[in-house]
Amino acid sequence: NAGVTQTPKFRILKIGQSMTLQCAQDMNHNYMYWYRQDPGMGLKLIYYSVGAGITDKGEVPNGYNVSRSTTEDFPLRLELAAPSQTSVYFCASKNGGAYEQYFGPGTRLTVT
Amino acid sequence: KQEVTQIPAALSVPEGENLVLNCSFTDSAIYNLQWFRQDPGKGLTSLLLIQSSQREQTSGRLNASLDKSSGRSTLYIAASQPGDSATYLCALGGGADGLTFGKGTHLIIQP
Repeated sequence: NAGVTQTPKFRILKIGQSMTLQCAQDMNHNYMYWYRQDPGMGLKLIYYSVGAGITDKGEVPNGYNVSRSTTEDFPLRLELAAPSQTSVYFCASKNGGAYEQYFGPGTRLTVT
Repeated sequence: KQEVTQIPAALSVPEGENLVLNCSFTDSAIYNLQWFRQDPGKGLTSLLLIQSSQREQTSGRLNASLDKSSGRSTLYIAASQPGDSATYLCALGGGADGLTFGKGTHLIIQP
């Protein structure tokens, strides 16, 4: 049971490039989340999903897209990367009937 | 919109002291409150989760309390150790739509 896994661990992008951050969980959780954490700040919600095929925006969705084709995977797409997207990205999941969220180790992204 | 404030932003104390970290929130309509620990450059480790109907939770040297009427939670750490040095994050859950985090308290325990 690997829990929540994220790839890559680190990435440097040039302005205008695009990439997909991968997130997978093997706990059969139906709820999944993407957060970003800027230096010295708490985490902010980007997008979330309550099940395959269902996604919704969080507090800071601009510049990102998500899809949820399976229960296990919840990729986050960055189109036209900007320096403001330099951050650490965390994926999390939980069961619908539970309270506790489980977090992945994060992806550290730098856009230059 | 829920706002979460953590005080102090940073704290440095000698080893062995008992200490209290504070978290305040503006909207008492919460499902749960979760305390996390984050080590530098690392992910989040869940420490304690208090459901809306509960008043406190304990795990080892940690005790977290929740007072919804006053919009406050505290994390009490007993007999602090250098290994407790980390950033502590408070987060509130409103249901399916994710957690709202405070900015954290950066804790240093001096040996």
